[in-house]
Amino acid sequence: ETGVTQTPRHLVMGMTNKKSLKCEQHLGHNAMYWYKQSAKKPLELMFVYNFKEQTENNSVPSRFSPECPNSSHLFLHLHTLQPEDSALYLCASSQQPGQEGTFGSGTRLTVV
Amino acid sequence: DQQVKQNSPSLSVQEGRISILNCDYTNSMFDYFLWYKKYPAEGPTFLISISSIKDKNEDGRFTVFLNKSAKHLSLHIVPSQPGDSAVYFCAASSGRTDSWGKLQFGAGTQVVVTP
Repeated sequence: ETGVTQTPRHLVMGMTNKKSLKCEQHLGHNAMYWYKQSAKKPLELMFVYNFKEQTENNSVPSRFSPECPNSSHLFLHLHTLQPEDSALYLCASSQQPGQEGTFGSGTRLTVV
Repeated sequence: DQQVKQNSPSLSVQEGRISILNCDYTNSMFDYFLWYKKYPAEGPTFLISISSIKDKNEDGRFTVFLNKSAKHLSLHIVPSQPGDSAVYFCAASSGRTDSWGKLQFGAGTQVVVTP
């Protein structure tokens, strides 16, 4: 148990589907993040939330829509994805942005 | 534009020997550096960090060295153990408020520790 829980662990969705990824942390952290890890590529920062406010959108396409209803929960809403969006999506949290974070185990997403 | 580079995708080392992982960065504004370790089917876990005011930080078998002039850092693991077999990611961030949360990662180095 890492302290950051992501669900589901695996997700297969069609290009016309709408799905959501969920992340939950009870570490008392103030910052939460979504990262994308494609095969043989560095982790790519997607979104940063600090005290529930989005502070960073790293030029992510609008088919990815984050939501942070409170400091413990973070969602990533997905719609009309492309096959190249298939990747491991990791959620992380940290006490403050940019500091060492705690990662969840990720959601392995496959878009068919 | 990749600002953090790990040029060795893999490293094989014998148990008991030293593992040396290298990382180079291009952004001179980075002032905080981290190493993460990742096992398959798990998220990365924080290993060790170093601030730019230091040139060395040690934690048990793990030591990180920072050479600011060369924009280079390295992670030494000694002695290497089979449980150290994992992917190691180097990451860097800047303390500037307009760079909050921009933790940049390298592509990772797969370490295999052989008996």
